[in-house]
Amino acid sequence: DVKVTQSSRYLVKRTGEKVFLECVQDMDHENMFWYRQDPGLGLRLIYFSYDVKMKEKGDIPEGYSVSREKKERFSLILESASTNQTSMYLCASSLGQGVLDSFGSGTRLTVV
Amino acid sequence: ELKVEQNPLFLSMQEGKNYTIYCNYSTTSDRLYWYRQDPGKSLESLFVLLSNGAVKQEGRLMASLDTKARLSTLHITAAVHDLSATYFCAVDMEYGNKLVFGAGTILRVKS
Repeated sequence: DVKVTQSSRYLVKRTGEKVFLECVQDMDHENMFWYRQDPGLGLRLIYFSYDVKMKEKGDIPEGYSVSREKKERFSLILESASTNQTSMYLCASSLGQGVLDSFGSGTRLTVV
Repeated sequence: ELKVEQNPLFLSMQEGKNYTIYCNYSTTSDRLYWYRQDPGKSLESLFVLLSNGAVKQEGRLMASLDTKARLSTLHITAAVHDLSATYFCAVDMEYGNKLVFGAGTILRVKS
């Protein structure tokens, strides 16, 4: 089974801190994605990457950046955390044009 | 801009009853997913529907797709408590897995 591993299940950060959320997948998938999940809004795409060092903005990229230096790792960066970034963050990966069926277990971030 | 609307957003069912969750989307799509999420857990892929008229079934769940109506349904037959979860539909416009999700339907099955 593909494993998508997110390094932290829960994080509490202060407003203005720089926050790194890490995601690693072990099946050589080309595509990796970061979503945030909020009640009543479903999941919304923040950024995605189709290859190493490539990144594209999703629907809500403001306040976020990403890094993909290695194929298996996709990092989400909150440059200066704000309280409205308190949310559940989900990482996902897929193979080329394959189905998207591999999600991480999520990181619940609270910004105080 | 692609919009995906699910309804109902909350569904309380008695065990043994049938019900349908609806997923409407606003523009042409190549692929539609249904996912399940248990509290505190990640998303589990249930179905991927690829063409008009596609129907897939797994246990008490059956999903269908009508691309002309831009509508997918998730039908629950003879609900059991274990089906309690949140169900999401998601639409992929470009085969690139840039999914747009519905808000989710919280399903509670009462015994």
